[in-house]
Parts: sequence; C-alpha cells; structure tokens
Amino acid sequence: AQTVTQSQPEMSVQEAETVTLSCTYDTSESDYYLFWYKQPPSRQMILVIRQEAYKQQNATENRFSVNFQKAAKSFSLKISDSQLGDAAMYFCAYRPSGGGADGLTFGKGTHLIIQP
Amino acid sequence: NAGVMQNPRHLVRRRGQEARLRCSPMKGHSHVYWYRQLPEEGLKFMVYLQKENIIDESGMPKERFSAEFPKEGPSILRIQQVVRGDSAAYFCASSPTSAQSYEQYFGPGTRLTVT
Repeated sequence: AQTVTQSQPEMSVQEAETVTLSCTYDTSESDYYLFWYKQPPSRQMILVIRQEAYKQQNATENRFSVNFQKAAKSFSLKISDSQLGDAAMYFCAYRPSGGGADGLTFGKGTHLIIQP
Repeated sequence: NAGVMQNPRHLVRRRGQEARLRCSPMKGHSHVYWYRQLPEEGLKFMVYLQKENIIDESGMPKERFSAEFPKEGPSILRIQQVVRGDSAAYFCASSPTSAQSYEQYFGPGTRLTVT
C-alpha cells in the first residue's frame, strides 16, 4: 500500500522569506502523480501544484515550486516570497497512474505559519 | 462555473440517527470521490463513484456506510446509526474523467458532529 509522510507537523516563516515543506512517499509503482493541496481555515482544499512522475522537470506555479527526487521518493514544496495568505495546512498527496485505485493518498499535513 | 457543492455544511446528529451528505459535482464532471478527515489528520479516501456505479469502495467502513451517485441528482454519502467516532469533516471531490492526470476538485466539506 502507498503511504505519504510529512515529517513537519508545523513550520514557521517570516513574511517574504522562503520556506520548504517536505514530503516522502512509498510506492512500488513506476508511474504516478503527486500533488500539493492547501487547506486554509475555511477548510476548502485548493490544489497548489502537481507533478507527473515520468517528467524529470520540476513543476512550478508562480511562487510555488517542487523538488521532485524520484529515486529518493521525495517531493518537497518550496514557497518563495511568503505571504500572509499562504498561512494554511499543506497536504502532500499521491495517486497511481494505472487503473484501479483512483483515490488520493494524503499525508497528515504541515501547518504553515507566516510571521508578519 | 459553479464549483463542487456540498450540503449541508454542518450537520449535527444524535447517536443512532442517520446522516445524509450530498455532493453535486462540477458541471461536466461524472466522477465523484468521497474523503473523510478526522481532527489533526489528512484526508482518507472512502469511495469512488461514476454515474450509477461504485468503482472503488476500498476505503469505506464495512458497516453503516453507503454511497450512491444516481443518474439524476447529487451523490449521497449515507451513514446509518451514527456513533461519536463518525464525527469528522467529509469532503467530496469530482473530476471530468478517470484519466489519472486530472486533478480532483474539492467541495467545501460537510462537518458532521455526533452528540
């Protein structure tokens, strides 16, 4: 079974600084997708960024980028120029690309605090 | 283009009652997923449905829980004889196709409290 581990229950960063949230996963699949979701206090789950495992290039969305290390099964999220609106829970998620299980497997989350 | 709709947003039930949670997927989406989030936890997959079919219910508790996605109307997650341990946030997500690259779009969730 696939597992996703986020080893940082909470992270704090100064506004305008850069922060990196870590995520590791365990799978025997060779092809899969990885996601980072943001959950603000409203509890709405918002997709931040996604990565296809077959792509070597790291995904980037504006201030958000990932460091995808397939051999190490690591998928960290870097937030540059942190803003107060970035404060939220961040969840790493995995999904195999083959048929069968289509549900996402989530980590337990990292609570990101932005210090003004 | 309305997003995924869930209602009610908050639901309070006494132990032994039934809870019905509704989910209307985004327009054009025919795939629905239900997740449960316990306090201080990530979301846990429960069930994946297409119209009139349950595709994967590997995350559903064996008893008291059921889900449907009829040809017309919203998807329903039904919990019979609720217990305190069922208190959680229940999220619905939808996608336009089962193609694995498509992300799932989440609703705002229903917070169930069992007293």
